[in-house]
Amino acid sequence: QSALTQPPSVSGSPGQSVTISCTGTSSDVGSYSRVSWYQQTPGTAPRVMIYEVTKRPSGVPDRFSGSKSGNTASLTISGLQTEDEADYYCSLYTSSSTWVFGGGTKLTVL
Amino acid sequence: QVQLRESGPGLLKPSQTLSLTCSVSGGSISGGGYHFGWIRQHPGKGLEWIANIYYTGSTYYNPSLKSRVTISLDTSKKQFSLKLTSVTAADTAVYYCARVYWGLYFDYWGQGTLVTVSS
Repeated sequence: QSALTQPPSVSGSPGQSVTISCTGTSSDVGSYSRVSWYQQTPGTAPRVMIYEVTKRPSGVPDRFSGSKSGNTASLTISGLQTEDEADYYCSLYTSSSTWVFGGGTKLTVL
Repeated sequence: QVQLRESGPGLLKPSQTLSLTCSVSGGSISGGGYHFGWIRQHPGKGLEWIANIYYTGSTYYNPSLKSRVTISLDTSKKQFSLKLTSVTAADTAVYYCARVYWGLYFDYWGQGTLVTVSS
């Protein structure tokens, strides 16, 4: 299984919006909705921010939203805050009951 | 509140077997809806899924590691374990255990344990 493709880094200023992409293929991201997104700050375990492409677990601010178009899923953070600076990973639960992660994107809040 | 905690040796020599245990508290380890897994993160790198196990005992492995990995579940102790054989320096990583919520996402994670492979 191949890792999902994410940009290594993105940046934005407080208050702005940023979007992180997660590209797979028509056989994985393009076919299934079990895409989730995780936020990880240094020295801590990942935290789920989005699941099933668009759903937010309880406690996640509504500034975080997810979407999918074709073979690419996206995480958008609106109203960027300094505490959003972190690494973000997409993940997919595949039809083979395995999981695959994206390579991760470092978000810098300028 | 569900909590997961990894335990095991932090230092191994090449060719040895890595054995880690994850203890689950505050929630059920058996019954429908949940399964459990291991994820690792090489220093300064991204996340790599290793294996999952369902409460039924069904197991699933990352194809790239499958030949060396075994995941098991002990419901009586509320623990699940990882064994990785023939380790090399490339297996040096932080190893996380985590719970999967209804096949949708990893909802609870351990704090992670650093395993270093060095002669």
